[in-house]
Amino acid sequence: DTGVSQNPRHKITKRGQNVTFRCDPISEHNRLYWYRQTLGQGPEFLTYFQNEAQLEKSRLLSDRFSAERPKGSFSTLEIQRTEQGDSAMYLCASSFSSYGYTFGSGTRLTVV
Amino acid sequence: AQTVTQSQPEMSVQEAETVTLSCTYDTSESDYYLFWYKQPPSRQMILVIRQEAYKQQNATENRFSVNFQKAAKSFSLKISDSQLGDAAMYFCAYSNNTGNQFYFGTGTSLTVIP
Repeated sequence: DTGVSQNPRHKITKRGQNVTFRCDPISEHNRLYWYRQTLGQGPEFLTYFQNEAQLEKSRLLSDRFSAERPKGSFSTLEIQRTEQGDSAMYLCASSFSSYGYTFGSGTRLTVV
Repeated sequence: AQTVTQSQPEMSVQEAETVTLSCTYDTSESDYYLFWYKQPPSRQMILVIRQEAYKQQNATENRFSVNFQKAAKSFSLKISDSQLGDAAMYFCAYSNNTGNQFYFGTGTSLTVIP
């Protein structure tokens, strides 16, 4: 297990299209998080799963955003009807406890 | 709401010298965790060091150490014997004791001068 894996690394999409990102956490980690990072800013929390349950969801996560973790393993983040303001790096992280996250390399989304 | 403030957008240090990055935070909790993360140009965030609020002893990891002042809500990172590979964006982060979400500062970009 080489860490948290995110796919794709880069995604360019036209405004109004739907996109889906995937995150594969470290296998023994029961917690999974999605963050969004724009240039020059720190990551902003989007949502948190413990196993398959989505326990926290930020107000930043509008109804165009949905995340799933169907079997408590990998997770997907879908953005519907993308807008230019959705352009950002989407980071996934996993952990086993409050010890600290292990981050993936992120998916960079560009909406044109 | 918890906030994390990093007041130094950019810092520079000569190779082999020591540099301190500042971080302050605001919380009404008594039990929480604080972290420093490093984000090199490749963009993957790496945990540098962590501090539990209930511990008075400052955390140390090799060349990295923190100065944790709970009453002042201050959490600075000291990098000793700076190396070229230390050049990166450094983020201070706060988490409550459940770890449900982290709050990040805006980061400090560290340049190491050969």
